Parts: sequence; structure tokens; C-alpha cells
Amino acid sequence: GAVVSQHPSWVICKSGTSVKIECRSLDFQATTMFWYRQFPKQSLMLMATSNEGSKATYEQGVEKDKFLINHASLTLSTLTVTSAHPEDSSFYICSATDYYRADEKLFFGSGTQLSVL
Amino acid sequence: AQRVTQPEKLLSVFKGAPVELKCNYSYSGSPELFWYVQYSRQRLQLLLRHISRESIKGFTADLNKGETSFHLKKPFAQEEDSAMYYCAQNNTDKLIFGTGTRLQVFP
Repeated sequence: GAVVSQHPSWVICKSGTSVKIECRSLDFQATTMFWYRQFPKQSLMLMATSNEGSKATYEQGVEKDKFLINHASLTLSTLTVTSAHPEDSSFYICSATDYYRADEKLFFGSGTQLSVL
Repeated sequence: AQRVTQPEKLLSVFKGAPVELKCNYSYSGSPELFWYVQYSRQRLQLLLRHISRESIKGFTADLNKGETSFHLKKPFAQEEDSAMYYCAQNNTDKLIFGTGTRLQVFP
């Protein structure tokens, strides 16, 4: 299947710093990417839908000023956790849609574990 | 709001036993449902979709609109089936996930 690369896979930072997570579609163009958050032993919660060239659409309860999303190209979306605090510690997963595939269309990155001290 | 419910957090079986991972959804229209699997230390990947009506790795899932269910079944579990399984529903091109069920298959 198509490949979605997510970087970094693990990041530890001090409280108050900002962290950027990258999501790249390596062999296809992704007009739409999604960002999920997963707490331990819980399900994936959709945070926002990222569309290339336009503003992201955030789910209810997700602070857009806290979680900045930029989708400047068809192969790259970034999620920046601004002024991170310990409660932001979580597993963040991106996914990208390849609309031109007839079968499986949604592909996931391997995730980023964010630990805020 | 649309919801996907997986009532079991953990399902433990012995190798060769039948497996059924339950999934219920809440949607009055025509849902598009999926099962995703996450093996240890690997990324989430699609297992099967209800519209394709196929069997992947011996797993099948039938959409039952009357019961609003999309249970995942396999007649004979294998040790390599041990993983996290997530049921998901397409909601206007966004996936809504259930809380997941961890399947443990003992030898």
C-alpha cells in the first residue's frame, strides 16, 4: 500500500515549548490529511482535517490555537503543539487519503509519542 | 453524533478457537464500515471493508443493519492474529473509531 511517513516517532520536551510533527505522503499526493490523538488504552480521536492550501477543520473541543496545522503542499502536513503542557502528552497519528486508489484509500503514519515534562 | 462501540476491551482465546470481535454503530443511513488492525509495534492498517465483502487473513465481517452491527469473525484463531482491532465508520470522509479490542491468542 501507499506509505505515510510521520516524524519524529518520539519526542520529549519541556513544558512550555512547541513541538512540530510532520506527516508526509511518500508515493502519492494527499489533498486531505487527518490528525488523530490517542491516549493510553483509548481509541483514536480525530482532532482535525487538513486540506492542502486551506485552513484545517478542527473537531469540537480541539483548540486551533493550541494545535496548529499547516498543509502547504500535497505531500506534507504539519501539526505544531504550541506551548506544550504535560496534559498534551499523547500519541499523535496522522493519516492521508489517496483518492485515486480504487481499493484502500486511507493510510496511516506510524505515530508520534509526545511526552511533555 | 455517530458512535462506534466495541464493548470488549480484551478478548482472549486459545489457538484454533473461533473469534468474534463485536462492533456496533449508530447511524440511520447507509454506513461505510471498516476494521483496522494494529499489530505490536506496527502502524494501523486496514483489515477489511464491508463494501468489499471479502475475507482477509480468514477474517470476515457482515454488516447487519437490523442490529446495527459489524462484528469481525474468524473460525480458527491463530497466534499471529494477536493485535489491537479497531472498528471504524466513515462519517463524511472522516473515520470515527471505536475504542478497540485487544485480541490475545494463546498457543
